[in-house]
Amino acid sequence: NAGVMQNPRHLVRRRGQEARLRCSPMKGHSHVYWYRQLPEEGLKFMVYLQKENIIDESGMPKERFSAEFPKEGPSILRIQQVVRGDSAAYFCASSLMGGTQGTIYEQYFGPGTRLTVT
Amino acid sequence: GENVEQHPSTLSVQEGDSAVIKCTYSDSASNYFPWYKQELGKRPQLIIDIRSNVGEKKDQRIAVTLNKTAKHFSLHITETQPEDSAVYFCAASNKAKGDTGRRALTFGSGTRLQVQP
Repeated sequence: NAGVMQNPRHLVRRRGQEARLRCSPMKGHSHVYWYRQLPEEGLKFMVYLQKENIIDESGMPKERFSAEFPKEGPSILRIQQVVRGDSAAYFCASSLMGGTQGTIYEQYFGPGTRLTVT
Repeated sequence: GENVEQHPSTLSVQEGDSAVIKCTYSDSASNYFPWYKQELGKRPQLIIDIRSNVGEKKDQRIAVTLNKTAKHFSLHITETQPEDSAVYFCAASNKAKGDTGRRALTFGSGTRLQVQP
């Protein structure tokens, strides 16, 4: 299956602990987007990365949240000192690299990581 | 930034009827409008998209229309079936800061569609 992979699928953390969410893009894709979905709500953009570069992190909280997409390995979304309000489903999506100005590439989503903070 | 509004929030139809979901967007620079279907506990799945150089696109029982002047776009599902029951999200592209050709998406709040057998 060459689809977007995320792990873990479910993650339980106590308040104050760290959460690390991983995303492997589709084969051939080198652009990754992270979205958060609160229960019964839509998806909210957090951060957009390509290999070794953060393109846009305007949707990510300034504190406790960070993201990376190293040259080798999956993209990581890291949440430090988690609080109950961080409980949500975190989805990543990937799209193709490259393209000329104005070219649009579809985003394909992974199965998500459901984070529960107790 | 972009703002996408979606209506209705819930929609119940009888099997075989049509369903229409409408979205409006605020940023006239947006030029890509995908629709995603999300079943309970699963990932959003891209079902159809439209680019601003076309006004309508159809794929079997699903069609999407776009009115750039009015800044709204709609999803039409004909001959609905129980397996169409899900939450549907519209989205619009934002130009990613510092780059072109690759975009983050702004999503609507979703429409829960129930198709009654």
